[in-house]
Amino acid sequence: AQSVTQLDSQVPVFEEAPVELRCNYSSSVSVYLFWYVQYPNQGLQLLLKYLSGSTLVKGINGFEAEFNKSQTSFHLRKPSVHISDTAEYFCAVSERNQGGKLIFGQGTELSVKP
Amino acid sequence: GAGVSQSPRYKVAKRGQDVALRCDPISGHVSLFWYQQALGQGPEFLTYFQNEAQLDKSGLPSDRFFAERPEGSVSTLKIQRTQQEDSAVYLCASSQTGTNQPQHFGDGTRLSIL
Repeated sequence: AQSVTQLDSQVPVFEEAPVELRCNYSSSVSVYLFWYVQYPNQGLQLLLKYLSGSTLVKGINGFEAEFNKSQTSFHLRKPSVHISDTAEYFCAVSERNQGGKLIFGQGTELSVKP
Repeated sequence: GAGVSQSPRYKVAKRGQDVALRCDPISGHVSLFWYQQALGQGPEFLTYFQNEAQLDKSGLPSDRFFAERPEGSVSTLKIQRTQQEDSAVYLCASSQTGTNQPQHFGDGTRLSIL
């Protein structure tokens, strides 16, 4: 069965510093990978997705992620964070031929301090 | 354009009562998903519709949970004889057809069972 592990539950960082949020997945078949962001009392907003092709994926708000098949990882990075990036970030995977249902990680709370 | 709309935003019910949660997907979106998000956790898949057909209900936690989408648009998630462990945020998402299509989420319904 597929699963997603987000290795850090909380990541504190200072404004303008770089950040990496880690995500590993397990699956026996090909997958699609996603990162979503959730602000308080709101639903999830898609940051970026990996479907196929280039392993480096660029998303909104200056975020990017790299798919590493051998390490089954899909880490999210941003070179310089802003206060407004403070939110909960979720990594998710869906298996091909499973209708698109998403399996989410437990989330990483990114806290950007001035 | 209009996004996914969920109502009510907040629902408080006494244990044992029945509740109904509504989801209006983005117009034209074929696929509709329900997720349950417990406090401090990632969303967990409940069920999935393609048009009016419920293709996967493997995530529904018990037979007290029932979902429908009779005309292939609006969907209702019903919980009978609510229990305290049903307290969570219930998220609805919709997407165009295809397992690689990103899901667009509503803001959720926060359900509290007293």
